[in-house]
Amino acid sequence: DVKVTQSSRYLVKRTGEKVFLECVQDMDHENMFWYRQDPGLGLRLIYFSYDVKMKEKGDIPEGYSVSREKKERFSLILESASTNQTSMYLCASSFRGSYTDTQYFGPGTRLTVL
Amino acid sequence: AQSVTQLDSQVPVFEEAPVELRCNYSSSVSVYLFWYVQYPNQGLQLLLKYLSGSTLVKGINGFEAEFNKSQTSFHLRKPSVHISDTAEYFCAVSPQVSQKVTFGTGTKLQVIP
Repeated sequence: DVKVTQSSRYLVKRTGEKVFLECVQDMDHENMFWYRQDPGLGLRLIYFSYDVKMKEKGDIPEGYSVSREKKERFSLILESASTNQTSMYLCASSFRGSYTDTQYFGPGTRLTVL
Repeated sequence: AQSVTQLDSQVPVFEEAPVELRCNYSSSVSVYLFWYVQYPNQGLQLLLKYLSGSTLVKGINGFEAEFNKSQTSFHLRKPSVHISDTAEYFCAVSPQVSQKVTFGTGTKLQVIP
């Protein structure tokens, strides 16, 4: 059974703080993704990674960066958190071998920036 | 680029009644189509996907969807819903040459006892 875990379910930070969201998967997936989910907007892709140390911008990368030093771990970094980054953040992973592969999601981290 | 439209943000339906959740997409290239479900306080999980072949796709929990290329639609159906089907449902599309998935805005299905 594929498991994608995220370091925190709920997080409260102050404006200007540096924030790290961690995601770990245990199925040796090559692809990993970070999305944010907002009411009425669905899921929007922030960044994704096809392999260790490789990353590509998604649709809304501004204000975020990522790090993938190990295959199983993909970190999302908010360099200087702002209130408009209050959201639900979802991590996902999938095999690289086929474009048809399912994405497996973690439970999400609800981030509040005050 | 591709896009996904889910016109209904909320769909209330009585228990044991049938339901259809609508999804339309646009894309300049061939695509794969997905439906994901998100139960309260959980991440998303795959319900079903259309890759090729038969346009009627069956998924988990009694759901099915039909791919209609001429109408660029991929509507999700279930003949008889249960309380446990209360969740948010997301339609998604992925170009056949990329893993970059575009999600719709979601439809909240509320099953009324």
